[in-house]
Amino acid sequence: DQQVKQNSPSLSVQEGRISILNCDYTNSMFDYFLWYKKYPAEGPTFLISISSIKDKNEDGRFTVFLNKSAKHLSLHIVPSQPGDSAVYFCAASDTGTASKLTFGTGTRLQVTL
Amino acid sequence: DGGITQSPKYLFRKEGQNVTLSCEQNLNHDAMYWYRQDPGQGLRLIYYSQIVNDFQKGDIAEGYSVSREKKESFPLTVTSAQKNPTAFYLCASRRDRGNTEAFFGQGTRLTVV
Repeated sequence: DQQVKQNSPSLSVQEGRISILNCDYTNSMFDYFLWYKKYPAEGPTFLISISSIKDKNEDGRFTVFLNKSAKHLSLHIVPSQPGDSAVYFCAASDTGTASKLTFGTGTRLQVTL
Repeated sequence: DGGITQSPKYLFRKEGQNVTLSCEQNLNHDAMYWYRQDPGQGLRLIYYSQIVNDFQKGDIAEGYSVSREKKESFPLTVTSAQKNPTAFYLCASRRDRGNTEAFFGQGTRLTVV
């Protein structure tokens, strides 16, 4: 049972435009959400996170939006740059019960010139 | 420099052999994790540990074993019972169960020959 889903395996965006990556979750106990960026043959690197008490968190070009009623979060990258081309994973945890961190399947973003 | 070190980066194993992947962190983190990445399947949790001498099975623990004798170390053994061991293995650590991000090592590519 996939509790964190990223339904778009890939996304292509022109340089300078906005990239929007989506993530859905099914476990209503999840209360902390994270986005990671990953290059091939490397470990993921942390980008941005959001707690369930918020609906938006911004850090430079990256903004994460959380819609708890829809169990949906999204990552916006504005403006997109060629160096943003990578696989993006969303992750979620239930901080009240355990340290378990559950990841989605990832979305490959390609930023074209 | 604080971080997580996985070794080796590449590992070859003959069928029927057990192999141990190393993961060491000097971040003083309590929680540690092992994930496996396969194409199109994202990061799947194998085992995690919240504290020394304690660990829990993740979503795909069959054929794997771990130990947590020291806070800094969380080795993963891939046993001969694991039917499809060829994959990219990632180790991560996290400060505690609260709202914190996990930090990843650079991964180990295991290939069964």
